[in-house]
Amino acid sequence: NAGVTQTPKFRVLKTGQSMTLLCAQDMNHEYMYWYRQDPGMGLRLIHYSVGEGTTAKGEVPDGYNVSRLKKQNFLLGLESAAPSQTSVYFCASSSSGNTIYFGEGSWLTVV
Amino acid sequence: KQEVTQIPAALSVPEGENLVLNCSFTDSAIYNLQWFRQDPGKGLTSLLLIQSSQREQTSGRLNASLDKSSGRSTLYIAASQPGDSATYLCAVPDTGRRALTFGSGTRLQVQP
Repeated sequence: NAGVTQTPKFRVLKTGQSMTLLCAQDMNHEYMYWYRQDPGMGLRLIHYSVGEGTTAKGEVPDGYNVSRLKKQNFLLGLESAAPSQTSVYFCASSSSGNTIYFGEGSWLTVV
Repeated sequence: KQEVTQIPAALSVPEGENLVLNCSFTDSAIYNLQWFRQDPGKGLTSLLLIQSSQREQTSGRLNASLDKSSGRSTLYIAASQPGDSATYLCAVPDTGRRALTFGSGTRLQVQP
């Protein structure tokens, strides 16, 4: 039972570099999400998708882009990383109105 | 905009104690509420999902209640154990988006 899988788990970037976080789910869920978690601030929604080929902005979308070309994958891109993007990133998926499942997280440090 | 508040931010109790974690939300037009557990360095695991038509939901030693009209939910943990030590977060559907808005969590430490 893979559930929601995120790669990579850890990454250190230099300011200005780009990278992509990959999220894959094997539960045939329509909805997928990217959140970031910072100390004392809980989880904040970056972008989300309600189906293959669709994406929408969340609470803190600036500096990030996403794509959902296949139903099972949701990619989060940082085009020009900034130290403010140092965080733990969580991907999640769900079907409408039901339990949401999270990945194990990706720890990103931008120096 | 939906806002979720959790009190207290941190709690330390001796093993065996019963305890209550609180969650409040500003927009009562929700269709469900979820409680999650997060262990250090790990993702979130869903504990309980309460639909808006329900007043409470139970799983083992955990009982969650929901009062939509007052914008409150509580998570009751009976006979706490050291293995219950974790951060507990509540979340409600975001008004206008098909996503969840989370509280900042309550960090629970159960002392053996």
